[in-house]
Amino acid sequence: QLQLQESGPGLVKPSETLSLTCTVSSGSFSSSSYYWGWIRQPPGKGLEWIGSIYYSGSTYYNPSLKSRVTISVDTSKNQFSLKLSSVTAADTAVYYCARQVSNSGWYVAWFDSWGQGTLVTVSS
Amino acid sequence: QSVLTQPPSASGTPGQRVTISCSGSSSNIGSNAVQWYQQLPGTAPKLLIFSTNQRPSGVPDRFSGSKSGTSASLAISGLQSEDEAAYSCATWDDSLNGPVFGGGTKLTVL
Repeated sequence: QLQLQESGPGLVKPSETLSLTCTVSSGSFSSSSYYWGWIRQPPGKGLEWIGSIYYSGSTYYNPSLKSRVTISVDTSKNQFSLKLSSVTAADTAVYYCARQVSNSGWYVAWFDSWGQGTLVTVSS
Repeated sequence: QSVLTQPPSASGTPGQRVTISCSGSSSNIGSNAVQWYQQLPGTAPKLLIFSTNQRPSGVPDRFSGSKSGTSASLAISGLQSEDEAAYSCATWDDSLNGPVFGGGTKLTVL
């Protein structure tokens, strides 16, 4: 049974960098069929894709956040990580990590398994 | 502002059939498959429908998805109290080169 678990600070100060890690408990981490993504949901609002990574290290980012986002992978630990720099109160949200499935490379890849999410608040 | 547009709320009584709409454009729904996610209060999204009308194992056949042009719909038949949740649509956006979501629809079972 695939499980994803987010970890990291729940409080980040404005202008600092938000850092989260997702640990995947499954042997499918290095499978060619999957990408691994970060999604966030501000309180009372909809979901927003932040970015995704392939086990090889290839990354894909939402253009609206690209200048502030870095996603990396550590296949030896079945982990992938998110860094979001220069945060403001608008970055306060529940952050989810999730597995993306695709039948055709980086195209029409959908999220089939999600972590429980972690609330990150940006405040001084 | 979400890329895909959903009504903020919907409601129905037990046993009723309800539909939730999701509107997009030619660069997303118009040319790609749609997914639907169910989010119970305080929990992570759960995949309900993929490839527009396919259900993952374990999802009751009361849930069905469809698409026409640049709009998609989720239908729930035989509504049950446990269906009270938020439902979000998603698809691929060719301009963004990534996934996009709707703002979510809160379904209330009266």
